[in-house]
Amino acid sequence: QAQVLESGGGVVLPGTSLRLSCAASGFSISGYAMHWVRRAPGKGLEWLAVISYDGSNDHYADSVKGRFIISRDKSKSKVLLQMNGLTTEDTGLYYCARGRGVISPGDLWGQGTLVTVSS
Amino acid sequence: DIQLTQSPSALSASVGDTITITCRASQAISHYLAWYQQKPGSVPELLIFGASTLQSGVPSRFSGSGSGTDFTLTISSLQPEDVATYYCQKCDSVPLTFGGGTKVEI
Repeated sequence: QAQVLESGGGVVLPGTSLRLSCAASGFSISGYAMHWVRRAPGKGLEWLAVISYDGSNDHYADSVKGRFIISRDKSKSKVLLQMNGLTTEDTGLYYCARGRGVISPGDLWGQGTLVTVSS
Repeated sequence: DIQLTQSPSALSASVGDTITITCRASQAISHYLAWYQQKPGSVPELLIFGASTLQSGVPSRFSGSGSGTDFTLTISSLQPEDVATYYCQKCDSVPLTFGGGTKVEI
């Protein structure tokens, strides 16, 4: 059964960095675009970033552009989200979702990894 | 950037009712709209893509329509397991913005 698995969340101080990881089970992550989406406490879903299947294209929401970087690891077995300059506004549950293309909806989502930015 | 406005933000209905959720885009996005369901404590699930195409495995009581700027998600014969927050998402171009969500209660 195909699954998406996020990891790397935690509690961090404002201004610091964190790297999230997204892995796949039951399908080849290198064959799909992958999105990161978050849900802040008490708020709705917010699309953050997407990377193409081959890593040649990436796009970001304005709220994270210049601070977050989405990439694929060298083995092409994981998708990473490097988050820099974190603020309390970045607190939330971060989901990784599979897409058939860069501008396609997420058809398979992970359980999410929790990021808490607090002093 | 194109914004998506969902209405209502919340609704309460009875089992067996037919409900409609609206998603309005600030600019035309053709038929490039998806709908998701997120049940309490669970992950979002794709219900509909391309405005009206049902994702595999989704019950037929869910349907979507619309194009351009105005879209609707209809749930016919509402079931207790349909309690969830529903989101629309534009998929015409980046950023793939979500609507604010509609919370459905019974």
